[in-house]
Amino acid sequence: DAEITQSPRHKITETGRQVTLACHQTWNHNNMFWYRQDLGHGLRLIHYSYGVQDTNKGEVSDGYSVSRSNTEDLPLTLESAASSQTSVYFCASSPSRGYGYTFGSGTRLTVV
Amino acid sequence: QQPVQSPQAVILREGEDAVINCSSSKALYSVHWYRQKHGEAPVFLMILLKGGEQKGHEKISASFNEKKQQSSLYLTASQLSYSGTYFCAGDAGGTSYGKLTFGQGTILTVHP
Repeated sequence: DAEITQSPRHKITETGRQVTLACHQTWNHNNMFWYRQDLGHGLRLIHYSYGVQDTNKGEVSDGYSVSRSNTEDLPLTLESAASSQTSVYFCASSPSRGYGYTFGSGTRLTVV
Repeated sequence: QQPVQSPQAVILREGEDAVINCSSSKALYSVHWYRQKHGEAPVFLMILLKGGEQKGHEKISASFNEKKQQSSLYLTASQLSYSGTYFCAGDAGGTSYGKLTFGQGTILTVHP
């Protein structure tokens, strides 16, 4: 069965370190998204991609970057982790506009 | 700007009905509804497209008033499994097609 997987599920890192969160989908979806979820803020969009070599900034993109070298993967990199980036991160994909998102199981990141 | 949901929380007994409202300050191409259980990823419930076409699943219905940019999710004869946080999300279309902005969520609790 097709799926979308995130890894790791949990990570603790130190302030200033570079961290990469993986997102891999086998749906062959063009659209992929990264959100962070914090209490009181709901889900906020970090970056998104409409296809290979296409990436765009969302509303909370500072300190994050993504790259899309193939259809299946959209890794999220925290260039220099900060305590404010402690959060639950969700990756999602959809085939195109007009379809619902399928979310990964999430990565809980703690920056100490 | 994120959609505004009301109420923020609702408590029901099994078999009771509930309505969750979602209001957007900008015109939307579509409205999505998701449900998230504690510690899990959001799950797509339904999409309402501009023009009235509805897609979705499960025994939950929704409406979208394009003139008012308001959507409502109707849960009838609630079951224990309906408990969770419900999010509406808007797709503003244009160059932002397929990109969703989520509301802050409505916590629904169903008691036996």
